[in-house]
Amino acid sequence: GAVVSQHPSWVICKSGTSVKIECRSLDFQATTMFWYRQFPKQSLMLMATSNEGSKATYEQGVEKDKFLINHASLTLSTLTVTSAHPEDSSFYICSARDIRDLAYNEQFFGPGTRLTVL
Amino acid sequence: QKEVEQNSGPLSVPEGAIASLNCTYSDRGSQSFFWYRQYSGKSPELIMFIYSNGDKEDGRFTAQLNKASQYVSLLIRDSQPSDSATYLCALNTGGFKTIFGAGTRLFVKA
Repeated sequence: GAVVSQHPSWVICKSGTSVKIECRSLDFQATTMFWYRQFPKQSLMLMATSNEGSKATYEQGVEKDKFLINHASLTLSTLTVTSAHPEDSSFYICSARDIRDLAYNEQFFGPGTRLTVL
Repeated sequence: QKEVEQNSGPLSVPEGAIASLNCTYSDRGSQSFFWYRQYSGKSPELIMFIYSNGDKEDGRFTAQLNKASQYVSLLIRDSQPSDSATYLCALNTGGFKTIFGAGTRLFVKA
């Protein structure tokens, strides 16, 4: 149980294009999903917290107009990197919190999406 | 002071030894504590979580929590080369966010 999928697992795009990454909780419902970015040999950096049916909460320094997040259902959140540039190349990882978890706030991670912008 | 502090390592132990990974935190209101393992190029996977003072054992892994001293540790018994990875300490203070440490790299030498 507690499986989170991401699609695509990797993507290569040209500078200036937009890329959409999907995050799905496969066997549980998630009111809250999280988007992280990780550069090589660096730690996870939380970009935003995505809540079903409401606007995402972005961390300081993360441009909300560049990283569009939509959490349209209890099992799906999407991150769109708009007008991607080479500096956006990174490993994007989502995680989800089970709606039934009222105490421990355990997060289940997706396998990640490696974005390369040429 | 960082909210979650870990020694970046690398920590190198011989196969079969006990690997000890430590983590300190600053917020005394922290409630849940997690240890994740992350292999290079992969996303983190949960090893175990702990929320009460004391020890919690799961197979070769033991998590130890001391809230008074604000530290949490992970012991890996009978370390194997496949345990070589980065270990992330994380905590939750009761809100939505989980705070992650930068991770400790572990190398288990065959």
